Amino acid sequence: QVQMQESGPGLVKPSETLSLTCTVSGGAISSSRYYWAWIRQPPGKGLEWIGTMYYSGSTYYNPSLVSRVTLSLDAPANHFSLNLSSVTAADTAVYYCARAPGSVIAAHFDSWGRGTLITVSS
Amino acid sequence: DIQMTQSPSSLSASVGDRVTITCRASQSISTHLNWYQHKPGNAPKVLIFGASTLQSGVPSRFSGSGSGTDFTLTITTLQPEDFATYYCQQAGDIPLTFGGGTKVEIK
Repeated sequence: QVQMQESGPGLVKPSETLSLTCTVSGGAISSSRYYWAWIRQPPGKGLEWIGTMYYSGSTYYNPSLVSRVTLSLDAPANHFSLNLSSVTAADTAVYYCARAPGSVIAAHFDSWGRGTLITVSS
Repeated sequence: DIQMTQSPSSLSASVGDRVTITCRASQSISTHLNWYQHKPGNAPKVLIFGASTLQSGVPSRFSGSGSGTDFTLTITTLQPEDFATYYCQQAGDIPLTFGGGTKVEIK
């Protein structure tokens, strides 16, 4: 049974870069069977897909965030990461990592982390 | 972007009730529609994928239907553990998008 755990700073200052890591246990992120994603939920709002990546390095980003987002993957460490630059208060949210079997399109998220709250404030 | 509209945004129901939640896509997504259950502090959990396929381990009281733009999640006999927020998500095009959620509360 795969388990996923987000880790991050909790508090980030405006204009800085947010960096989060998702550590995966119970399965290899270098598996060709899965894609790895980040999703967020601002307080009181709905879920927003940030982006997805594959072990090969292919990445797929939400166009609304593409200029500020970078996803990366560390296969030996079995974790993947999110960098979001130039953050503002609008980036305050619970950030989730998730796994999608098979593809980006036509896929679902079959495993999620419990999320980590990131607050952007000076 | 494909907009996903869920209704209702909240509902009150009793244990044993039949509950129906609808999700409408702003354009056709075939059957690329997934449903999730989310309880506060927990990881979201997929219930239904591909509009009607029950995820392994999910009770059979959950079912999904629809294609094109209109979809439905049905809980046939509501159980105490089903009180949660439910989201639909389209996987037909990038960006992947979610509905606004339906909070199912105890009457």
